[in-house]
Amino acid sequence: QKEVEQNSGPLSVPEGAIASLNCTYSDRGSQSFFWYRQYSGKSPELIMFIYSNGDKEDGRFTAQLNKASQYVSLLIRDSQPSDSATYLCAVGRGGKLIFGQGTELSVKP
Amino acid sequence: GAVVSQHPSWVICKSGTSVKIECRSLDFQATTMFWYRQFPKQSLMLMATSNEGSKATYEQGVEKDKFLINHASLTLSTLTVTSAHPEDSSFYICSASFQDINSPLHFGNGTRLTVT
Repeated sequence: QKEVEQNSGPLSVPEGAIASLNCTYSDRGSQSFFWYRQYSGKSPELIMFIYSNGDKEDGRFTAQLNKASQYVSLLIRDSQPSDSATYLCAVGRGGKLIFGQGTELSVKP
Repeated sequence: GAVVSQHPSWVICKSGTSVKIECRSLDFQATTMFWYRQFPKQSLMLMATSNEGSKATYEQGVEKDKFLINHASLTLSTLTVTSAHPEDSSFYICSASFQDINSPLHFGNGTRLTVT
């Protein structure tokens, strides 16, 4: 089992729809959770981080964390073509940040 | 905000030569920096953790004699790929944390290494 797992996609949604990206992790001791966006050929950029169970909203983005289920998700409302990218889930563990394989999102105009 | 600068952004070198990549934290002191490698269509794989003033901690399977890491100051870490081979061609990305690992990592722009 991989430490951090994501559906590789691609996930395709129409413009204006809600995109839902999911991530599971194996280490129950993980304390910090991050979502990064990566455009092709570029380095990752931070979208959101969440530390506590529940929802955290920032503009069109909502991160959801359920530590009991070892599950973290990212919702993107009103998806735009510019949101098309690979979304990386990352989990803090033992002083390191472990990344999932990423989910490719495609927002169709 | 905090910025991590990485140089060069791309480099082409011949097989057998060495390449040095620099990573600087521009407006904060980073006691710990991280070096990642990313092959096409794959995720970021942590190579090593670079600690200022001490030896780097390498992940399993990463050759420490091939990937030399130096963290001489609180704002600079370097990765040297020694005796590069075509299979070392990859996207190398450094990152730094403003505070501790539970704080978000800031990434450099990455270095595209091509070994011919």
